[in-house]
Amino acid sequence: EIVLTQSPGTLSLSPGERATLSCRASQSIRSSYLAWYQQKPGQAPRLLIYGASSRATGIPDRFSGSGSGTDFTLTISRLEPEDFAVYFCQQYGGSLMYTFGQGTKLDI
Amino acid sequence: EVQLVESGGGLVKPGGSLRLSCAASGFTFSSYTMNWVRQAPGKGLEWVSAIDSRSSFIYHAGSVKGRFTISRDNAKNSLYLQMNSLRAEDTAVYYCARVKDDSSGRRFDYWGQGTLVSVSS
Repeated sequence: EIVLTQSPGTLSLSPGERATLSCRASQSIRSSYLAWYQQKPGQAPRLLIYGASSRATGIPDRFSGSGSGTDFTLTISRLEPEDFAVYFCQQYGGSLMYTFGQGTKLDI
Repeated sequence: EVQLVESGGGLVKPGGSLRLSCAASGFTFSSYTMNWVRQAPGKGLEWVSAIDSRSSFIYHAGSVKGRFTISRDNAKNSLYLQMNSLRAEDTAVYYCARVKDDSSGRRFDYWGQGTLVSVSS
């Protein structure tokens, strides 16, 4: 089973700053199978990025994804107040099964 | 508008059973693979179960295998999760989520609002 490790666990930044979140896989995965989600307190997760770098519908262009193989990155170019949330990466492992990273909390 | 609405959560004693439902609308339910994902209080996301569009392929996470069963009724646009032999560690918010799979990638593009399952004596 592929394990996804996200870092850092918590990232403390201010509005206007750049955020870089990491997701590392225990073995190489297909980029098309890597997605990122945002979750705010009391809400369901929301799809941000899929295929490692494609933005989901309605997601602002300050969000971008990159990476390949075992190392993937979610970048938020200029933080807005509404971006402070928890972010999860996810990979599809075949046979309809998925795994999530443990999450990165983006704090003010 | 795509909507996924879960129901059926509640408080149950250890060893008990519960059946969750997810009512889908706004899309052709019978064309999509569906999943259950859970989140224990203050914890991360855990994939639980998946079922393909025709119920031909069904998979469960090891933590629930043999105790939980995913199913669907395409005529009723509904997804289910039968949970038996519940344990305290099954306490979580349970989400249903739709899989979108195309040349750009595979992802959970729509999620329900979740239903809370609490297992406690």
